[in-house]
Amino acid sequence: EAQVTQNPRYLITVTGKKLTVTCSQNMNHEYMSWYRQDPGLGLRQIYYSMNVEVTDKGDVPEGYKVSRKEKRNFPLILESPSPNQTSLYFCASSASSGGGNEQFFGPGTRLTVL
Amino acid sequence: GQQVMQIPQYQHVQEGEDFTTYCNSSTTLSNIQWYKQRPGGHPVFLIQLVKSGEVKKQKRLTFQFGEAKKNSSLHITATQTTDVGTYFCAGASNDYKLSFGAGTTVTVRA
Repeated sequence: EAQVTQNPRYLITVTGKKLTVTCSQNMNHEYMSWYRQDPGLGLRQIYYSMNVEVTDKGDVPEGYKVSRKEKRNFPLILESPSPNQTSLYFCASSASSGGGNEQFFGPGTRLTVL
Repeated sequence: GQQVMQIPQYQHVQEGEDFTTYCNSSTTLSNIQWYKQRPGGHPVFLIQLVKSGEVKKQKRLTFQFGEAKKNSSLHITATQTTDVGTYFCAGASNDYKLSFGAGTTVTVRA
């Protein structure tokens, strides 16, 4: 089954404790991205990747890191989480450039930073 | 940067009635996409519009892209309880980034 998976689905952590949210897709998609969803703000892009080893900042990259060492994986790293990073996070992938193709979203990761 | 505004933020609809949600961009778009997110779920792609003035239909849903490619609308006729959720538009002004609107959250009164 074609899908995007994320882990963990739920995470409660404390300020400053490094964490990684994994994202994997099995559709051989080139383009992957991370979004955060907050009430009233919709989906805001954090980082995106056009291919392996090619990443770039989205609209809200501060406090986040990403890497794209393999085509299928695109982990999101919070080196020192803060309470304002409490949010619902979605990973997405698409066949090629993000703007011209259907985005396939993962199930989401709900993060709470205390 | 590009901004995509979506109104209304909330839409409370009586079952059987019609409603429309609107999307406006500050810049000309190359295409616009629409997504639906059910409560507790993730966004799911509905449709993509590319041409100026394009109109597409999916059963009771009608999607329109403005002539200037800066606005779009989603019209739902005869709303059903299965239409509950949040509808997002997403505008693309280049090949690499989508800008999502804040979404319209739809609730239905039976």
